[in-house]
Amino acid sequence: DIQVTQSPSSLSASVGDRVTITCRTSQNIAYHLNWFRLKPGKAPQLLIYAASILQSGVPSRFSGSGSGTDFTLTISSLQPEDFATYYCQQSYSVSPITFGQGTRLEIK
Amino acid sequence: QVQLQESGPGLVKPSETLSLTCTVSGGSISSSYWSWIRQSPGRGLEWIGCIYYTGRTEYNPSLKSRVTLSVDTSENQFSLNLSSVTAADTAVYYCARRVYDGTTSRFDSWGQGTLVTVSS
Repeated sequence: DIQVTQSPSSLSASVGDRVTITCRTSQNIAYHLNWFRLKPGKAPQLLIYAASILQSGVPSRFSGSGSGTDFTLTISSLQPEDFATYYCQQSYSVSPITFGQGTRLEIK
Repeated sequence: QVQLQESGPGLVKPSETLSLTCTVSGGSISSSYWSWIRQSPGRGLEWIGCIYYTGRTEYNPSLKSRVTLSVDTSENQFSLNLSSVTAADTAVYYCARRVYDGTTSRFDSWGQGTLVTVSS
């Protein structure tokens, strides 16, 4: 299995802050890394795919970077709706598809 | 805009089979892969498996012995059966569409999720 290590596990920030979440994979996955936002009772939302491509309809304050084994999700200016849990996911191998452990973003 | 909705019992007894259905609207099930993913309390996301409309499947090896996925193209639905459940299978279960554009894949549409509790 490709292991995906996400950090931090939790993060406190304020509206307007810039935040960064990282994922590291146990082997080279090129650009095959996706990012999601999960909110209780709502359908999870794809934010970024292929490491850096913004999904249609997602605000431009979200950006992704990285390749190989190290990846980053950046939110440039936090909005109230961004306080949620974020996950990365590798799509390089489907045996199995694996996710990071999640980052809970809370209001400071 | 494709939409997905999970349905099924919210409570399953230990050792029994968990059965869920995902109904796809706003698009045809006869394209893309269709997936099940779960989130256990206090744990992260776990991919269960995917099925193509032709019936071709991909399973997480850790669950493969207990999982069966099926698809009904006439109803635009796909289903999950997870046998011999224990309390560890208590989770929010999501269905999702996995699209592949020739170079990479991603889960681009998800259902809202349904909580399934395993308890006697």
